[in-house]
Amino acid sequence: AIRMTQSPSSFSASTGDRVTITCRASQGISSYLAWYQQKPGKAPKLLIYAASTLQSGVPSRFSGSGSGTDFTLTISCLQSEDFATYYCQQYYSYPITFGPGTKVDIK
Amino acid sequence: EVQLVESGGGLVQPGGSLRLSCAASGFTVSSNYMSWVRQAPGKGLEWVSVIYSGGSTYYADSVKGRFTISRDNSKNTLYLQMNSLRAEDTAVYYCARVGDGYDYWGQGTLVTVSS
Repeated sequence: AIRMTQSPSSFSASTGDRVTITCRASQGISSYLAWYQQKPGKAPKLLIYAASTLQSGVPSRFSGSGSGTDFTLTISCLQSEDFATYYCQQYYSYPITFGPGTKVDIK
Repeated sequence: EVQLVESGGGLVQPGGSLRLSCAASGFTVSSNYMSWVRQAPGKGLEWVSVIYSGGSTYYADSVKGRFTISRDNSKNTLYLQMNSLRAEDTAVYYCARVGDGYDYWGQGTLVTVSS
């Protein structure tokens, strides 16, 4: 199985900050990488697919980049509604695997 | 509007069985890949299973041989039959549509395996 790691596991940030979360795959996955946002008690929400394509309706302050094994999710200007946990997911091969998550909370 | 509504969760004893349902509206289940993802309390997301539009299925090793994914085209509903349940199967179970990424999710249904 492809192992996904994320860094950092959690951090505190302020509204307006530029935030970057890193995801690494244990082997190459081309661009078969998605990012999800999850708030407590809610289902995950798709933000980015194919490593860099913004899902319809997702604000443009979210962006994704990378290919192969190293990927990043960037939030250009953190808003209050962005405090949540973020997961990366590889869908290059089965079993589909998720990263352990990165929790972004308020500083 | 696309909507997914799970049901069927609850408390079950170890070794017991449960069938989860995921009723879809706004699209056709049989024309899409559909998946189940679970989340143990306070933990991350774990992929469970997928069914292709053509009927092929795949499972996580942790549930292979115990869980079965299926669908009823006439009811536009996805199912997850869970047998030989273990304490470690305790989780919120989400169904999701597989488009470009997992683009639509249900609200989840809680399964608790405990004596």
